[in-house]
Formats: sequence, structure tokens, C-alpha cells
Amino acid sequence: RKEVEQDPGPFNVPEGATVAFNCTYSNSASQSFFWYRQDCRKEPKLLMSVYSSGNEDGRFTAQLNRASQYISLLIRDSKLSDSATYLCVVNDAGNTPLVFGKGTRLSVIA
Amino acid sequence: EPEVTQTPSHQVTQMGQEVILRCVPISNHLYFYWYRQILGQKVEFLVSFYNNEISEKSEIFDDQFSVERPDGSNFTLKIRSTKLEDSAMYFCASRDRGGGTEAFFGQGTRLTVV
Repeated sequence: RKEVEQDPGPFNVPEGATVAFNCTYSNSASQSFFWYRQDCRKEPKLLMSVYSSGNEDGRFTAQLNRASQYISLLIRDSKLSDSATYLCVVNDAGNTPLVFGKGTRLSVIA
Repeated sequence: EPEVTQTPSHQVTQMGQEVILRCVPISNHLYFYWYRQILGQKVEFLVSFYNNEISEKSEIFDDQFSVERPDGSNFTLKIRSTKLEDSAMYFCASRDRGGGTEAFFGQGTRLTVV
């Protein structure tokens, strides 16, 4: 059974804080990795793909450790608008479906 | 910006009734999916569809569920005889290619079975 596990949260942080989310996946054959963001009662939206060498997009940095089957997301200088649930998502090769973690809820407080 | 659209946004139905959830994927995409999310739980895969046939389905997708792509644009999910536990948010998604590419999600249909 393919599983993706995440920190349960919620994370309540002040504006400007740095926050890190962790994720582990069980299927060593997984090929593609993503962080999606989901606002309350809305659809998941891609935040960023995660590459083997690690990648950064503005205040967001994603890391992948294939040996440990571990993915992370770092958010620097948190904004109120970052408040959402962050979903770790894993995919095998080809047309296989995305496998979602349960998500970690982040609340950024003024 | 192209988007996946779903209708209706909210459907209330009585237990035992049939419902059809509709989706219009992004026009040049080839892979289509249905997922569901029970309130407070994770997004779960139901079924994937490619080249006019089901390519994979989960254990949730039993005989009560079916999918169709009746024309070049619509992609539908039918639940034949709804149960209380079918109450959830149903998301349609599409991709232009297979693994490694972004899946675009519709805004979802909230199904409430009473």
C-alpha cells in the first residue's frame, strides 16, 4: 500500500516566522514529488514540484532525500496569506495517480 | 488561463438516488482523474481515464461508480445508488502528460447525501 505521511499540525506561527514541513513516502519506486496547497473547502493547487537537487521558489524551498524517502518544505518570512493546508504528493512514473498525504495545516498569525 | 470546471458546485441528494457529477477538463489534456475528499480527511484517488477507457481504479471505485467521456469535452462520474458515506468533495483533475507533470484540479463538487 502506497502511503504518504505528514506532520499532523496545525502549525500556528507569527508573521515573519520560518516554518518547515516534513513528509515521508513508502513507495521507493516513486518518481515525482510535489507540494500542493489547499485552502479551506477549495481544490488543491500546485505550489511547487520537488527536484532531486532541491529547488527554491521565492520564499519556498523544497528538498528531497530519496535514500530516506523524505521530502521537506521550508517557508521563510511567513505571510498571513500563507495560511492553508500543505499537501505532500507523490507519483510513480507514467499515468499512475497522485498519492496525497493528509496535509499539514498552517495558520500564520498577525 | 485554462482551467478545469466542475458542475454543480453543490449537490444534495437522497440516499439511494443516482447522481452525475460533471467535469470539463482542460482541452488539450489527455489524462483525466476523479478524486474525493471526505471532510477532514485526505484526498483519495478514485479512477483515472485515458484514451477513452479506465486506466486504473481504486478499491473505493466499486460497481456503484462509473465514468464516461460522452463527447470531446465532458468527463462525468456517476454514482448509481448513493450512500451516506458517499458524502464528500469530489474533484476532477486533468494532465497533459503522465507522471511528473502538474495535475490541474477543478473547484470540486460538494456531494451531500441525506
